[in-house]
Amino acid sequence: DAGVIQSPRHEVTEMGQEVTLRCKPISGHDYLFWYRQTMMRGLELLIYFNNNVPIDDSGMPEDRFSAKMPNASFSTLKIQPSEPRDSAVYFCASSSPGLAGYNEQFFGPGTRLTVL
Amino acid sequence: AQRVTQPEKLLSVFKGAPVELKCNYSYSGSPELFWYVQYSRQRLQLLLRHISRESIKGFTADLNKGETSFHLKKPFAQEEDSAMYYCALSRGPSGSRLTFGEGTQLTVNP
Repeated sequence: DAGVIQSPRHEVTEMGQEVTLRCKPISGHDYLFWYRQTMMRGLELLIYFNNNVPIDDSGMPEDRFSAKMPNASFSTLKIQPSEPRDSAVYFCASSSPGLAGYNEQFFGPGTRLTVL
Repeated sequence: AQRVTQPEKLLSVFKGAPVELKCNYSYSGSPELFWYVQYSRQRLQLLLRHISRESIKGFTADLNKGETSFHLKKPFAQEEDSAMYYCALSRGPSGSRLTFGEGTQLTVNP
């Protein structure tokens, strides 16, 4: 397994544009997480899904952010419209605590987003 | 609500010196504690968890419930230990989400 896959790896866009980040979790994992990493705030959980259903989106900063998981192998995080303060590294992670017996999350390589 | 605190954003030591990365948590139940590590240009990955009580790459961490701490220690730091370290808490074996600390950037100087 290639692990969690994220695309694109880097995204540079202008303020006001729509940005879509993509994630493919590890096959068989039933949890998927979206995180944002910044120097100031560290690693923040934005939203997570269980069996494709959003469980907790309390970390989503505002209505400009939305996330979907249409099937077990794909999720998107969308920012519309984007703002410079959204510049960060966005990580996707997946896990299967029921299978593993403990809560290890496997992270993707991240998408570095720069909003000009 | 659970919370994880890593009081040091930056920590710098010399090669061969002991290193301790501090982690304190607040949670009323029985948590599971983890240390995750992110080396330069690599993914964030699990380093160790308190339940396994193992030593990984020379690192150990003991859960102290009385002090609500889970400090990461290594007696002799190596340059390759330079990385970002995150302490994380899960609400027991059935917990699904992790609460991460703010992270500590460790630099081991030659």
